[in-house]
Amino acid sequence: EAGVAQSPRYKIIEKRQSVAFWCNPISGHATLYWYQQILGQGPKLLIQFQNNGVVDDSQLPKDRFSAERLKGVDSTLKIQPAKLEDSAVYLCASSLDLPARLAGGRLSYNEQFFGPGTRLTVL
Amino acid sequence: GQQLNQSPQSMFIQEGEDVSMNCTSSSIFNTWLWYKQDPGEGPVLLIALYKAGELTSNGRLTAQFGITRKDSFLNISASIPSDVGIYFCAGLITGGFKTIFGAGTRLFVKA
Repeated sequence: EAGVAQSPRYKIIEKRQSVAFWCNPISGHATLYWYQQILGQGPKLLIQFQNNGVVDDSQLPKDRFSAERLKGVDSTLKIQPAKLEDSAVYLCASSLDLPARLAGGRLSYNEQFFGPGTRLTVL
Repeated sequence: GQQLNQSPQSMFIQEGEDVSMNCTSSSIFNTWLWYKQDPGEGPVLLIALYKAGELTSNGRLTAQFGITRKDSFLNISASIPSDVGIYFCAGLITGGFKTIFGAGTRLFVKA
């Protein structure tokens, strides 16, 4: 089974330029996530899609970042204009579905499968 | 906001040694997760924990969900060189669908 595909793997741009990243999730996965991982830190969720709808984008800097998943399959993340502090690895992940509520209020976790990431350097 | 604190930040051990790392939070989580990230790759899920007090194993890895639901630990027994990497704890926030990650524990194994 093919994993999550991301491109490009590396990108170097100057500040104030624009950049776009592409993600193709595992076939049949309804939920897609974009994370930002700054060097030395854990992944931070930027945006989460369920099919082509946004579930959570509370940590997406909407003045410069945008993302779409128009047909509910692959997705693009754009930064316009880029800042120095945007230098990071951008990880895409997908899961079969959102967590499901079980009896007693527990949530069942659907494993998130991560792509290899795109390493962005802003000079 | 909710945060996960991992310790130690890094560990240098000899092959064959056992390793223990933990994760704490001031908030309650209903699901605890442990991921491993190899250089140049995305994180891979190792263990998922769903119930307070739960102890789960995956080969040489054992993880526990703390009774208070505010902590979790991961043990690796008889470490080998391919255990090198960054180990992240993560929690599924209560009432939502968002996963929060800790800053990671970097493990180095000397053969």
